[in-house]
Amino acid sequence: EVQLVESGGDLVQPGGSLRLSCVASGFTFSNYWMHWFRQAPGKGLVWVSHINSDGSTINYADSVKGRFTISRDNAKSTLYLQMNSLRAEDTAVYYCVSDFITPDYWGQGTLVTVSS
Amino acid sequence: DVVLTQSPLSLPVTLGQPASISCRSSQSLVHSNGNTYLNWFQQRPGQSPRRLIYTVSNRDSGVPDRFSGSGSGTDFTLKISRVEAEDVGVYYCMQSTHWPPYTFGQGTKLEIK
Repeated sequence: EVQLVESGGDLVQPGGSLRLSCVASGFTFSNYWMHWFRQAPGKGLVWVSHINSDGSTINYADSVKGRFTISRDNAKSTLYLQMNSLRAEDTAVYYCVSDFITPDYWGQGTLVTVSS
Repeated sequence: DVVLTQSPLSLPVTLGQPASISCRSSQSLVHSNGNTYLNWFQQRPGQSPRRLIYTVSNRDSGVPDRFSGSGSGTDFTLKISRVEAEDVGVYYCMQSTHWPPYTFGQGTKLEIK
């Protein structure tokens, strides 16, 4: 059974930083692309970033480009999202998502709140 | 960016009755490899999204066969043949043909009448 467990969400002040983690199990993590999506309170789903299986291909949404960094450690089956220069509009539940043909399994999410 | 437009945005349905959600794309979702990467997700209240349908019409494992997807090019539909109480939630279409970015429809909230 595929499991994706996110952690690292917290309350942070504007301009602050956070690092999210996602531990994967139930599949061969090193073989698959991975994504981060987010969902602001009461809003829809938004793609944030993705990374290919060996980390050589990375893309970001324009809204986070230059501020967020996605990475992975295949030996630890873990996906990361380093978030810097956080803004109020980054407040959301962040989901780690695996990619089997297309984005597929979602974790339970971790809440990031940016507020003073 | 590809814009996906869902309708209706609110869908009250009587238990046991059918339901249908439309998703229209601002451009063709046919990939250069011939596949069409239009997918449907269900998000029940308080839960994470769950993929129901991938590449237009392929149902994910464990998804009841009352859910079906159809369409081509720019017009797609998710149908529920007989709505059950557990189907309450928000349904999103998402395209993964033209990325980045991956884009979603606005979501359709299904409720029981």
